[in-house]
Formats: sequence, C-alpha cells, structure tokens
Amino acid sequence: GQNIDQPTEMTATEGAIVQINCTYQTSGFNGLFWYQQHAGEAPTFLSYNVLDGLEEKGRFSSFLSRSKGYSYLLLKELQMKDSASYLCALSLTDSWGKLQFGAGTQVVVTP
Amino acid sequence: NAGVTQTPKFRVLKTGQSMTLLCAQDMNHEYMYWYRQDPGMGLRLIHYSVGEGTTAKGEVPDGYNVSRLKKQNFLLGLESAAPSQTSVYFCASSYSRRDQSTDTQYFGPGTRLTVL
Repeated sequence: GQNIDQPTEMTATEGAIVQINCTYQTSGFNGLFWYQQHAGEAPTFLSYNVLDGLEEKGRFSSFLSRSKGYSYLLLKELQMKDSASYLCALSLTDSWGKLQFGAGTQVVVTP
Repeated sequence: NAGVTQTPKFRVLKTGQSMTLLCAQDMNHEYMYWYRQDPGMGLRLIHYSVGEGTTAKGEVPDGYNVSRLKKQNFLLGLESAAPSQTSVYFCASSYSRRDQSTDTQYFGPGTRLTVL
C-alpha cells in the first residue's frame, strides 16, 4: 500500500511563506499532485510533479524528490484567501488514473 | 463548459432508504470516480470507471453500487443507507484521449449526505 503523511494544520501570517510537507512510502507512482480545497467546496488542481525538482506557478511552487520520498508545496506572499486545506496525492502506477490522497493540511492565514 | 456537476447537493436519508447520486461531465473524459470525504481521513475512492459500460471497485466499495451507461454520466447508488455512510461525496473525471499529458482529476461540487 501507499502511506501519505501531511501535517494536520499549519498557521501563518498574511504576507508570510508557508511550506507544506508531504512524505510517502510507495513502490511506484507516475507523479505527485497538489490540490487546494476551500471549506465546503471541491478540490481544485494546483500542481503536478513528475520529475524531481521545483515547479513554479506564480505564488505557489511544488517540489519533488523521489529518492527521499518527499514533496512540498510552498505558498509565498500569503493572502487570506489561501486559508484552505491542501491535499497531496499520488498517481499510482498499478492503475493509471487512480489517485491516492493524503488526509490534507489545513492552512490558516491570520491577519 | 459546466465541467463536473453533481445532483443533489444535499440529502437527508433515514436508515434503510435508498438513493442515487448523479454525476455528469461535459469534458469528454474517459475516466470517472466517486470518492467520499470524512473529517481527518481525506478522500477515499469508492468506485471508478475507465470507460462507458465499465466499473471497478476502489478502496471502500461496500454498501455502494455504480453504473456508467453513458460516457458523460456516472451514477452512485446506496441500496440501504446506513449512518456510517454519512459523508460528503465527490465525483471526479479525468483523461481525454486528445490530451494524454496528465491524469489530472477535475472534481464536482460535492453532495452532502446525512443518514439518520
């Protein structure tokens, strides 16, 4: 099976930077996704890492290290609207298309 | 494009009642999924479909049935609802034969189900 671990909650101040870590144990995967989910809403796609390294999209960046079983999502210049749950998910190689999700990290942005 | 839509948005059932949740997508996606989301447990896959007329079990299939008679629709049925099925249900779709570059899943707005 696949174990995906994320911190349950993180708090940061508006304008600051927060790094959400995701560690996993798996025999193989196609890539790693990050989704954002506001309370009461659907998850929305943020980023997808296939190769090791950093992918940058505006204020959000995602990093993957396959050898270390580790990914992180970096949120810069935090805004109040970034208060949400952030979900890490693996695209499994044994069944293309299926995702295995972590429990999510609730980020609370304070003024 | 509406993307992925789900009906109903909210539902309250009594134990033993049955119901069907409808998911529809207009992105011509091949794959469709049903998840449930419970506090502290993340999204768990119930059933999925890799094409019209095909379905497969996910991580937590017991107590649910599905059907994919049309490519754009994926139905989730509860034959005899139990309080343990109180949850938020999300439908998702992915994979277009035109764009095979990613397997990004796109989610519907969710159905909030309470079983008393």
